[in-house]
Parts: sequence; structure tokens; C-alpha cells
Amino acid sequence: QKEVEQNSGPLSVPEGAIASLNCTYSDRGSQSFFWYRQYSGKSPELIMSIYSNGDKEDGRFTAQLNKASQYVSLLIRDSQPSDSATYLCAVQEDNMLTFGGGTRLMVKP
Amino acid sequence: SQTIHQWPATLVQPVGSPLSLECTVEGTSNPNLYWYRQAAGRGLQLLFYSVGIGQISSEVPQNLSASRPQDRQFILSSKKLLLSDSGFYLCAWSATSGSQPQHFGDGTRLSIL
Repeated sequence: QKEVEQNSGPLSVPEGAIASLNCTYSDRGSQSFFWYRQYSGKSPELIMSIYSNGDKEDGRFTAQLNKASQYVSLLIRDSQPSDSATYLCAVQEDNMLTFGGGTRLMVKP
Repeated sequence: SQTIHQWPATLVQPVGSPLSLECTVEGTSNPNLYWYRQAAGRGLQLLFYSVGIGQISSEVPQNLSASRPQDRQFILSSKKLLLSDSGFYLCAWSATSGSQPQHFGDGTRLSIL
């Protein structure tokens, strides 16, 4: 049984702070890793993809991957109230994604 | 660019009634297609996926079924809905080459009365 674990939160950060979201996965054969953002009542939206160890930056978002520790993280710099959402970690093997339960982020003005 | 359409956006159905949800993808050929369900406050549960016309794999045995009558069309059906079928139904597509992410439609919120 492939598992992807996330702290459900809520993670509360003040506006302008760095939000750090974490995810661990069980299957060492996992190939690709994704972060999705899901606003309440809406569908998940892809925000980051990462395929190799290290950091990948895109605007205010940085994804970090450590395959040896089976750990993926998402950093959001200069957090804004509009970043308040649930963030889903997804781990891919072949054509299949296994999703974590999501972390709810609240950014307070 | 690729787009994915799902309809209807919301649906209220009585217990025991049939169901048909449709999903279509534009701007790509031979996509992988997926149906997920998300119960309130819960994670995503994969229901079905398809790698080609007429090819359906079921992940969770239940009273739902899926069909792919055309390359870019994916249909989720039920002959008799149960109360437990309530939820947010999401269709997704991915390209077949390499390690590609999935992209979701806007979803259908299904309430069973």
C-alpha cells in the first residue's frame, strides 16, 4: 500500500511569512512529485512539479525533494491571504498518482 | 492548449436514481483519463482510470462504472445511487509520455437525498 503523509493542519502563518509544508512518502520507486493547491469548493490546481533531488523555485514557491529521506516540501515565501487553501502532495509511479490528505494553510492579514 | 470540461457542476439526485457524469478533453490526443471522488474534508480517492478507448481499470469496487466511448471522452455512471455516493467528483487527464502530472476539471458536486 503506497502512502503519502501530510499534516492536516491547519497551518497558520502571518502575512509576509514563509509557509513550510511537508510530505513523506512510502514508495522508494516513486518517480515524480507534485504539489497541488485546492481552494475550498474548487478542484486541485497544479502549482509545482519536481523530479530530482534538490530545490526547484518558481516565483514565491520552492519545492524541495530528498529521495533518500523520502521527503518532499513546499515553501511559500511572502505568504499572502490568497494563499490560504489546502495543499495536496502527490507522488507518481508509472501513470498513477497517490495523493496525501492535504495540509490546510491559513495566512492571516 | 489543453482544456478539460466536466458537467454538470452540481447535481442533486434521489437515492436509487441513475447517474451519468461526463468529461471531455480538448487539445490533446490519447490522454490518460481518471475519475476521482473527494468526500467532504477528505483526500482524493481514485475510482477509475483509462489509458485508451474501451480500456477501464477500476480501483474501488462499488456501484459505479466508467466508460470511454471516444478518445477524449470519459463517462462515470451508476444504475442506482446510494447515500454514500455523495461527494465531489473530479475528472483528470495526463499526457501519456514521460512523468506527466494530472490536470483536473472543475468537478461535479453530487448530493444524494
